[in-house]
Amino acid sequence: AQSVTQLDSHVSVSEGTPVLLRCNYSSSYSPSLFWYVQHPNKGLQLLLKYTSAATLVKGINGFEAEFKKSETSFHLTKPSAHMSDAAEYFCVVSYSGYSTLTFGKGTMLLVSP
Amino acid sequence: DAMVIQNPRYQVTQFGKPVTLSCSQTLNHNVMYWYQQKSSQAPKLLFHYYDKDFNNEADTPDNFQSRRPNTSFCFLDIRSPGLGDAAMYLCATSSVTSGLNVLTFGAGSRLTVL
Repeated sequence: AQSVTQLDSHVSVSEGTPVLLRCNYSSSYSPSLFWYVQHPNKGLQLLLKYTSAATLVKGINGFEAEFKKSETSFHLTKPSAHMSDAAEYFCVVSYSGYSTLTFGKGTMLLVSP
Repeated sequence: DAMVIQNPRYQVTQFGKPVTLSCSQTLNHNVMYWYQQKSSQAPKLLFHYYDKDFNNEADTPDNFQSRRPNTSFCFLDIRSPGLGDAAMYLCATSSVTSGLNVLTFGAGSRLTVL
């Protein structure tokens, strides 16, 4: 069985400050892990993915995430938030192939001027 | 440049009036998915096609059906929409070459049921 927990339903930051969105997973197998972003009334866009290569994964728009097996975490970070980063972020775990994706409940990132 | 295209983007229907949502893709991906996403919730997989093979999630209501006439197109039919079916419906694709568990999503179709 696999599951993913996004520890915060909402995160508020000021523009220019660091972003940390937390995700913990459980999986019986070596997981693949993803972060997707969803802007209002839009589909989901892949930010980055971890598939057992380098543990520090760089994604689009300055985001990165670090896979920590000992902590079963895959937290998403960005050094400096931009107003356009305001969106909902989903952490997703998959252990094999297709149709086995498990989504977290999402974290809404709010960015204030 | 859109690769997964959903139509219509917004659909309003009446209680019980059938609705069809469409999805087309230019990626030539062999897997196509339909997800339902209700407000402030994670997407929930309804079903998917691996090539022509249809795979229904166990808890997908019978009210929801799907068709995939060819590689490029997939349809979601809601036979008798209820108020609880109001949601965003997301189509996604994946393939062996891009990674079967790496999904490309469309922009979604938002369904309102009156």
